[in-house]
Order: sequence, then C-alpha cells, then structure tokens
Amino acid sequence: EPEVTQTPSHQVTQMGQEVILRCVPISNHLYFYWYRQILGQKVEFLVSFYNNEISEKSEIFDDQFSVERPDGSNFTLKIRSTKLEDSAMYFCASIRSRSGRWDTQYFGPGTRLTVL
Amino acid sequence: AQTVTQSQPEMSVQEAETVTLSCTYDTSESDYYLFWYKQPPSRQMILVIRQEAYKQQNATENRFSVNFQKAAKSFSLKISDSQLGDAAMYFCACLAQKLVFGQGTRLTINP
Repeated sequence: EPEVTQTPSHQVTQMGQEVILRCVPISNHLYFYWYRQILGQKVEFLVSFYNNEISEKSEIFDDQFSVERPDGSNFTLKIRSTKLEDSAMYFCASIRSRSGRWDTQYFGPGTRLTVL
Repeated sequence: AQTVTQSQPEMSVQEAETVTLSCTYDTSESDYYLFWYKQPPSRQMILVIRQEAYKQQNATENRFSVNFQKAAKSFSLKISDSQLGDAAMYFCACLAQKLVFGQGTRLTINP
C-alpha cells in the first residue's frame, strides 16, 4: 500500500541553523500538508500546498518557514534560522482530492527535530 | 472557530474489554469529516476510522466503532475486545476548513 515517507527520521541542529525536512507524498496525491507536534501537545496545522503554491497557512508559519515542491515527488519544509521552540515532531500529510478538503489525510512517520 | 476537545487525558482498560474514548467538537460548517487517529510510541499518525457528517450511520471498522451524535457535536470511539497493540495516544480530529486535532487521550491496556 502506498505510504507517505519522510526523511530524516531524526534531525539534530544548532539554534540559528537552517534545516530542510523532506517528504515524499503518495504519488497520485495533489494536496500536501505540514503539521507540527510539540512533545506532549496536540498536532497543529502549519501549511497546506496545492498546485505549487501555498493554499493556507497558520499563525505558526511565519517568515522563518517555507515550503517547496522542487520536483515531481518531494515536498520540503525549510526552517531558515531554527529556534529552541522549533523542537517538535513534524508530520507531512497528503490527500488525493483536488478540493483540498473532503478526503482523508494520510500522514508520514514524522521527523523529530531537536534544536540545541 | 473550529475546536476539538478530548476531556480524558488518560484511559485504561483490561485486555479483551471494551473502552470508549470521548470527543466533542465545534464548527460552524455544515459539511465536515471527523476522524480518529492513533499515535503509538513510534509517534506515527495512523488513521483508525472516519465519519462523514452527512451520514447518519455510525462508522465501523472491525473492532473500532464510533457514536456520532451530530446535534450534540459528540464523536466517541469505542474499541471492543481491546488488545495490547491498541495502547497508544488517540487523537480526535475534525476536518472542516482545515484539520484540527484534539489534545489526545492516552490509552493503556492492562494484561
């Protein structure tokens, strides 16, 4: 069964460094998402992406964050200058629907980001 | 605003018994979907079950079923014949304008 994959599984970085988290959505899916889960807290929406542009973003997704689909398969989240509070699990998700709504979001296994 | 509330931070059940996890939500949208996701210690988010708001019939997926009360905005998950592998965090989520998660309920299965 097709799956969303994410790399790396764990990323450790120094505060102020740039990180890129990578995701490969399910191949025929059209809408892509990034979520964040700080340890012990709920999963929070960051951004949605469709047709090579951001569809919606949350208050968390400030100028330090950017997303890109550099080729036909990868979907990346970049954090330009990491802060301690960026330490979290980051989940990628994708859906098949063009409408961006009425479909089940399939999640990747997550990348644990630790900022020191 | 869209909100999802899980009032039980932790639940425990004996193996083979039945447990019900509670969830209430609020949305101004008339069309929406509801989900239960399971997050084991590996922290991967795994879809357990989904319910379309326009459907009156409660969704069922093997040992997992929901009690969807639309007027009360309640969406509980029932796990029958609990197994050790069911131990995990369970998140209720509502998809209207966007996917919003509850705080989660940690389920422990006692052998």
